Amino acid sequence: AQKVTQAQTEISVVEKEDVTLDCVYETRDTTYYLFWYKQPPSGELVFLIRRNSFDEQNEISGRYSWNFQKSTSSFNFTITASQVVDSAVYFCALANDYKLSFGAGTTVTVRA
Amino acid sequence: DAGVIQSPRHEVTEMGQEVTLRCKPISGHDYLFWYRQTMMRGLELLIYFNNNVPIDDSGMPEDRFSAKMPNASFSTLKIQPSEPRDSAVYFCASTDSEGYSGNQPQHFGDGTRLSIL
Repeated sequence: AQKVTQAQTEISVVEKEDVTLDCVYETRDTTYYLFWYKQPPSGELVFLIRRNSFDEQNEISGRYSWNFQKSTSSFNFTITASQVVDSAVYFCALANDYKLSFGAGTTVTVRA
Repeated sequence: DAGVIQSPRHEVTEMGQEVTLRCKPISGHDYLFWYRQTMMRGLELLIYFNNNVPIDDSGMPEDRFSAKMPNASFSTLKIQPSEPRDSAVYFCASTDSEGYSGNQPQHFGDGTRLSIL
């Protein structure tokens, strides 16, 4: 069975602070894919990043960065210099054979 | 390019009524997914199709729920009869099968917010 745990339910920061979202996963598969999605207050789900189990290279995209560590089954997400527009629920998800298993999500509130 | 299109955006109906949710996937995508989002259970996969054929419906909660995909550009999720506990946001998503299975991100519609009174 696959499981994704996002232990942080809510995080509140002041603008320009960095925020790191934790994601720990469980799977017996050797090939799998990890994703992060953003759900802003308007409700839609926006794809942010995909990582496969064979690629542990970290990635940076603007103010966003991701740290994939297979040894600890973690795929953490950092927002650098947060902005009010970053306020949203962020979901980590695990996929194999097209079935996505989502974590419970972390609500990020960025205060001006 | 047009994304996944869902209709209606909001639906309010009385218990016992039939509800039909609609989805148009991204053109060229051969996988279509229906999800339900609630506070208690989070985001859960209900059913998914490949080339219009249902592949896994193990997430469908009960017989009151049914889904169809008559062609590559249209799918419906039907609840009959509806109950208050069906109130949730229902998302449709699509992806293509390029690469290894599950490799491609699923692109989500804006969702249908369903309220059963």
